[in-house]
Amino acid sequence: QVQLQESGPGLVKPSETLSLTCAVSGYSISSGYYWGWIRQPPGKGLEWIGSIYHSGSSYYTPSLKSRVTISVDTSKNQFSLQLSSVTAADTAVYYCARVYPGITVAGARFDYWGQGTLVTVSS
Amino acid sequence: DIQMTQSPSSLSASVGDRVTITCQASQDISNYLNWYQQKPGKAPNLLIYDASNLETGVPSRFSGSGSGTDFTFTISSLQPEDIATYYCQQYDNLPTFGGGTKVEIK
Repeated sequence: QVQLQESGPGLVKPSETLSLTCAVSGYSISSGYYWGWIRQPPGKGLEWIGSIYHSGSSYYTPSLKSRVTISVDTSKNQFSLQLSSVTAADTAVYYCARVYPGITVAGARFDYWGQGTLVTVSS
Repeated sequence: DIQMTQSPSSLSASVGDRVTITCQASQDISNYLNWYQQKPGKAPNLLIYDASNLETGVPSRFSGSGSGTDFTFTISSLQPEDIATYYCQQYDNLPTFGGGTKVEIK
């Protein structure tokens, strides 16, 4: 069974960099698929942040592209999110997910999700 | 970006009712449309992929249809455990989600 688990600080100061890691078990990242990050501000809807292929090709939502980096570490079977220059608007539950490939870029559907981790941006 | 407009934003229905949610894309996305269920405090769960395909293990009372710009998600007989927020998501280009529809029991 594929399982994903997010980890990282729950509190980040404004202007600093948010860093999260997603550990994958039950499936080898290097075997394929995209791996993605999605966030959800409190009481609001879902926002796709970006996805990375196991080979390292990455895609980001345009509104965050200048601040986001997603990387993959196949040796540890995990992938990571870095979001720089955070503000209160970046406060959200952050989910990692496996992304089933499709014929379009960045993958098709999110078929396995982590439980999510709340990151609060506050001084 | 491709914008996804979901309606209604919320609805209240009785157990056993047929529930329908619509999702409209800002441009033609073929059948590149998925539906998710999210219960409070939980991660979303994939229900329907490629507009009309039921994900393994998902009850058959859930269904989806549509292509191009207009899509429909249906619960044929609402059950108490279906109380959740439902989201559509397109992947014709970079993925985007609809705003969600909160389903409550009347």
